[in-house]
Amino acid sequence: QKEVEQDPGPLSVPEGAIVSLNCTYSNSAFQYFMWYRQYSRKGPELLMYTYSSGNKEDGRFTAQVDKSSKYISLFIRDSQPSDSATYLCAMSLGRNTPLVFGKGTRLSVIA
Amino acid sequence: NAGVMQNPRHLVRRRGQEARLRCSPMKGHSHVYWYRQLPEEGLKFMVYLQKENIIDESGMPKERFSAEFPKEGPSILRIQQVVRGDSAAYFCASSPGLAGGSFHEQYFGPGTRLTVT
Repeated sequence: QKEVEQDPGPLSVPEGAIVSLNCTYSNSAFQYFMWYRQYSRKGPELLMYTYSSGNKEDGRFTAQVDKSSKYISLFIRDSQPSDSATYLCAMSLGRNTPLVFGKGTRLSVIA
Repeated sequence: NAGVMQNPRHLVRRRGQEARLRCSPMKGHSHVYWYRQLPEEGLKFMVYLQKENIIDESGMPKERFSAEFPKEGPSILRIQQVVRGDSAAYFCASSPGLAGGSFHEQYFGPGTRLTVT
């Protein structure tokens, strides 16, 4: 079983839709959970991070962590064509420790 | 406020040559991580460095790969005697470490795309 599982997609949605992206993980010791966005041939850009379980909202983005289920989600409201990218979940055991990434989900938002 | 800088952005090497990838962290950041992204694969951790110290190299291949982060200058990832399987995108990320911020956000550079012919 891989440490972090993420459906690679591709996921195609119409503009304005709510997008739900998810990852599951096997190591219950993970404490920090992040979502990165990566445009084609660019570096990953940090979108959201969460410590332990709970929700965090930033504009159109909401991150959720359920440690009991080892499941994290990213919701994008009112999706825009500019949201078309690959979304990577990542997690770490603590501060200043390496990130463990999912493979990424490719999202296309169609105008 | 310049972000993480990497150079070169693209590097072509023949099998057996050496590749040197450079990473300049964000201003004020003292921690550098290197990751490799193979085609259709996720990012994989390679090595974590602070100034003049390797903290964690558990993801680094045992042979041909080395990394350093000197007191002055950028961090360098060095790959000796490259093989076709080394073709990938190599990203570095920097973070402020314990000295700054409540979290160790890692900010990524644009990557170096290495092609071995």
